[in-house]
Amino acid sequence: GAVVSQHPSWVICKSGTSVKIECRSLDFQATTMFWYRQFPKQSLMLMATSNEGSKATYEQGVEKDKFLINHASLTLSTLTVTSAHPEDSSFYICSARAPQETQYFGPGTRLLVL
Amino acid sequence: KNEVEQSPQNLTAQEGEFITINCSYSVGISALHWLQQHPGGGIVSLFMLSSGKKKHGRLIATINIQEKHSSLHITASHPRDSAVYICAVRSRGAGTASKLTFGTGTRLQVTL
Repeated sequence: GAVVSQHPSWVICKSGTSVKIECRSLDFQATTMFWYRQFPKQSLMLMATSNEGSKATYEQGVEKDKFLINHASLTLSTLTVTSAHPEDSSFYICSARAPQETQYFGPGTRLLVL
Repeated sequence: KNEVEQSPQNLTAQEGEFITINCSYSVGISALHWLQQHPGGGIVSLFMLSSGKKKHGRLIATINIQEKHSSLHITASHPRDSAVYICAVRSRGAGTASKLTFGTGTRLQVTL
């Protein structure tokens, strides 16, 4: 089946620094990519929807200046957490939609902000 | 009331048992996904359904559009099936940018 990769798989950073997470669709072109965050024992929460070549659509309550999303190509989207703080510590998951509408998920990135 | 409800929330089974996880939703949908999330966090897409039934190995997924209900069955369960199983629906008519609405998940533990 289709594969979505994320990098890094985990990251620890100091408060105030910025962290970039990459999401790649490895064997298909994804016109739409999604970014989710998940807190322990909770369901996935959609942060934003990203279409290639256009600005991301953010969900209510998600700060677009804090969570910068760039969907540069049909196989790559990046999420940058700017000026990260401990409350941004979470599990971030990207997902890419294949042309036949099946949605594939990345393995996730665990972020810990100290 | 959530748009997507799953039951049970937690399930413990012995190896070899037949397992059923249920999902009910309240909106019109274009597709329903069953996802598996292992303790490490990664999510695997098991099925995407819009009607009928699909089978993959020991996993079977069914959907009844009229009743707004789907089931995921695991035959001959094994400890490696232990994971959280998540039902997610895509609303009908929302276009290609439509988003998934997730259930809260069913935590399955299969013991020896």
